[in-house]
Amino acid sequence: AQSVTQLDSQVPVFEEAPVELRCNYSSSVSVYLFWYVQYPNQGLQLLLKYLSGSTLVKGINGFEAEFNKSQTSFHLRKPSVHISDTAEYFCAVSDKGVQAAGNKLTFGGGTRVLVKP
Amino acid sequence: EAQVTQNPRYLITVTGKKLTVTCSQNMNHEYMSWYRQDPGLGLRQIYYSMNVEVTDKGDVPEGYKVSRKEKRNFPLILESPSPNQTSLYFCASTPTGEEIYEQYFGPGTRLTVT
Repeated sequence: AQSVTQLDSQVPVFEEAPVELRCNYSSSVSVYLFWYVQYPNQGLQLLLKYLSGSTLVKGINGFEAEFNKSQTSFHLRKPSVHISDTAEYFCAVSDKGVQAAGNKLTFGGGTRVLVKP
Repeated sequence: EAQVTQNPRYLITVTGKKLTVTCSQNMNHEYMSWYRQDPGLGLRQIYYSMNVEVTDKGDVPEGYKVSRKEKRNFPLILESPSPNQTSLYFCASTPTGEEIYEQYFGPGTRLTVT
């Protein structure tokens, strides 16, 4: 069974400051890793994904994440946040190599980012 | 425009009154899933379908039914809703193929059962 832990449920941050959202996972198999963003009253939008290759992944809106296999982590970072980055962010994993359960994603509990002026 | 649509977006109902939430995708995706989102728990898979007439339980299937009679549609049925099914529901679809694991989500349906 897989599990995903997002270590911070809420992260307040000032505008133009950097932010890091932490994500750790456990799995008995290799996984693909994702970060999704949910803006207020909207659905989920893919920020970035790690499938293979370089462990540093760049996504949309200036976000990036680094896959660390030894620490089973996939932390999300942005060097300078904007008010518009206020949203909830979800880390998710899916099994690698087998498209089982309809490519099921296992999600973390989410991190609410509140960007203050 | 490639998209996943859900209807209704908001629904308030009473315990025991059967309801259906529709989901449709126009991307010809084989795989479709339903998730529910609850505070602090993230999203959890309810049911999934890997093709027409092929469905199976996810992690939290109790109290729900699904059907997949057409490739584009994947309705979620609550035959006797209860207050613990108050939640935000998302439908998602994904294509098959190597290195394609991204899920495309609908806008969500907020359900309140009183």
